[in-house]
Amino acid sequence: QKEVEQDPGPLSVPEGAIVSLNCTYSNSAFQYFMWYRQYSRKGPELLMYTYSSGNKEDGRFTAQVDKSSKYISLFIRDSQPSDSATYLCAMSAVYSETGNQFYFGTGTSLTVIP
Amino acid sequence: DAGVTQSPTHLIKTRGQQVTLRCSPKSGHDTVSWYQQALGQGPQFIFQYYEEEERQRGNFPDRFSGHQFPNYSSELNVNALLLGDSALYLCASSRIRGQGWDQPQHFGDGTRLSIL
Repeated sequence: QKEVEQDPGPLSVPEGAIVSLNCTYSNSAFQYFMWYRQYSRKGPELLMYTYSSGNKEDGRFTAQVDKSSKYISLFIRDSQPSDSATYLCAMSAVYSETGNQFYFGTGTSLTVIP
Repeated sequence: DAGVTQSPTHLIKTRGQQVTLRCSPKSGHDTVSWYQQALGQGPQFIFQYYEEEERQRGNFPDRFSGHQFPNYSSELNVNALLLGDSALYLCASSRIRGQGWDQPQHFGDGTRLSIL
């Protein structure tokens, strides 16, 4: 079983739609959860990060973490063609001076149609 | 404020050769991690360097080695290249000392390595 599972899509939505992206994980030690956006031929760009359970909102983006279900989500409101990219979830255990390791999902490819 | 920079951007090698990739972390960051991203996959953790030592290592063979310099920059070396090593190699930097959680990893745009 992979540490992090993510539906690769592809996902295609009309402009203005609400997009829901999800990941599940198996390691209960994960406490830090991140969403990255990756455009073609570029490195991942940090979108959102949260610690433990709960919600976090930043503009059109909302990240949710449900540790009891080992499930995280990213919602994109009023989606724009410029949101077309691959979205990667990532997670990590305790952040310490001995180092930490981030585990990534496979990424979900999103296309927003004008 | 310069972000994470990687060089070269693209590299073509043949099987059996050796390659060195380079990374300069974001200003103020002291930790460098390397990832391999195959086409259509998420990044896979190779290893992490902090204070010039390898701190964490993923499930990669000893052909993959690295180094961190006193200025926090880092190199990734891969020996005896295989066709399966063709991928995008990403460097990510972060800050551990004194900052705890509030410094997640920031990525460079990667080096695309093609093995012929």
